[in-house]
Amino acid sequence: QVQLQASGPGLVKPSETLSLTCAVSGYSISNGYYWGWIRQPPGKGLEYIGGFYHTGITYYNPSLKSRVTVSVDTSKNQFSLKLNSVTAADTAVYYCARGLGHYYYDTSDYRMGYFDPWGQGTRVTVSS
Amino acid sequence: IVTTQSPATLSVSPGERATLSCRASQSVSSNLAWYQQKPGQAPRLVIFGASTRATGIPARFSGSGSGTEFTLTISSLQSEDFAVYFCQQYNNWPPTFGQGTKLEIK
Repeated sequence: QVQLQASGPGLVKPSETLSLTCAVSGYSISNGYYWGWIRQPPGKGLEYIGGFYHTGITYYNPSLKSRVTVSVDTSKNQFSLKLNSVTAADTAVYYCARGLGHYYYDTSDYRMGYFDPWGQGTRVTVSS
Repeated sequence: IVTTQSPATLSVSPGERATLSCRASQSVSSNLAWYQQKPGQAPRLVIFGASTRATGIPARFSGSGSGTEFTLTISSLQSEDFAVYFCQQYNNWPPTFGQGTKLEIK
């Protein structure tokens, strides 16, 4: 049974870089599927941030693309999120999840569709 | 694509039926998922493809709709069903989520 666990610093200063890691167990990332990051600001809905296919292709939310980098370490079976130039608006619970592939006609390629399962989130506060 | 859920809060008694709605700002075909989130927990997939139950989801959960109007119905509410439910479209990039409906005990 695949399990994911996000971890990282709970407090980040404004203008600095938020760095999180998602450890995956029960399944080898390099074997398949999509993997991604989703966040939930306090009292708000969910927002897709970015992710990748097991081949290494990355897929970012256009609204965050300029500040986001998602990378993978297959030797440790984990992947990471870096979000730079953070502000208070980036305060959220950050989740990592496995994505099921779906063909998007607007981008003419396969990307993550829905997400299952999700890891336990990690809360990040941006504050000085 | 903007997905709008209604109502924001739904109060229903155990054993009764709950009907949650999700509306997309443009057609998403049947590319819609529903998630259940309990306090302090990660979201859990309930429905994908608008009407297919995820593994382990009880038959009292059903999804319907296509295009822009979708419904999640829980036929006979159990205590463990009270939670926040989110819809998510994955027809257009990027995938987007609704603001959620909180299903509370009446």
